Amino acid sequence: EAQVTQNPRYLITVTGKKLTVTCSQNMNHEYMSWYRQDPGLGLRQIYYSMNVEVTDKGDVPEGYKVSRKEKRNFPLILESPSPNQTSLYFCASTPSVKGVGGYTFGSGTRLTVV
Amino acid sequence: AQSVAQPEDQVNVAEGNPLTVKCTYSVSGNPYLFWYVQYPNRGLQFLLKYITGDNLVKGSYGFEAEFNKSQTSFHLKKPSALVSDSALYFCAVRVPLLSSASKIIFGSGTRLSIRP
Repeated sequence: EAQVTQNPRYLITVTGKKLTVTCSQNMNHEYMSWYRQDPGLGLRQIYYSMNVEVTDKGDVPEGYKVSRKEKRNFPLILESPSPNQTSLYFCASTPSVKGVGGYTFGSGTRLTVV
Repeated sequence: AQSVAQPEDQVNVAEGNPLTVKCTYSVSGNPYLFWYVQYPNRGLQFLLKYITGDNLVKGSYGFEAEFNKSQTSFHLKKPSALVSDSALYFCAVRVPLLSSASKIIFGSGTRLSIRP
């Protein structure tokens, strides 16, 4: 089944403890992206990747890192999480950087930083 | 600035009645427009898109959307609402970047509630 898989689904952590949220897609998509969803703000893009070893900042990149060493994987790294990073996170992919196709989303990761 | 707006936080409709969820956009060039739906505890699911051609686009679950260039709108519609249509709906627009790439920006979402 074609899908984007995120792990974990739920995560509670403490301020400053490094964490990684994994994202993997099995559709050979070039373009992958991370979003955070907050009430009343919709989805805001954190980082995106146009292909292996090509990443760039989205609209809200502060406090996050990403890497794209393989086409299928696009992990999101929080080096020192803070409470304002408590949010619902989604990974998404689409076939190409031209963005004509729809996005396929993962099921989401609900992160709480205390 | 390039943006997409959903002016209603919530839309309430009785089952069997027609529904409309509104979306307006501001983007340079020809817009690529999308609608997504999010059910509780799930990721977003693609509903439909407008790239070019007929202004009325049909998508999944009986939904359709009408592209109106003069009003810069892309409203989502369904002739007869079902209780199972209750969900959070997002409008999105493709924004071209300086490179050949693009990104998608999302509206703030509209919660659709269908009462029996």
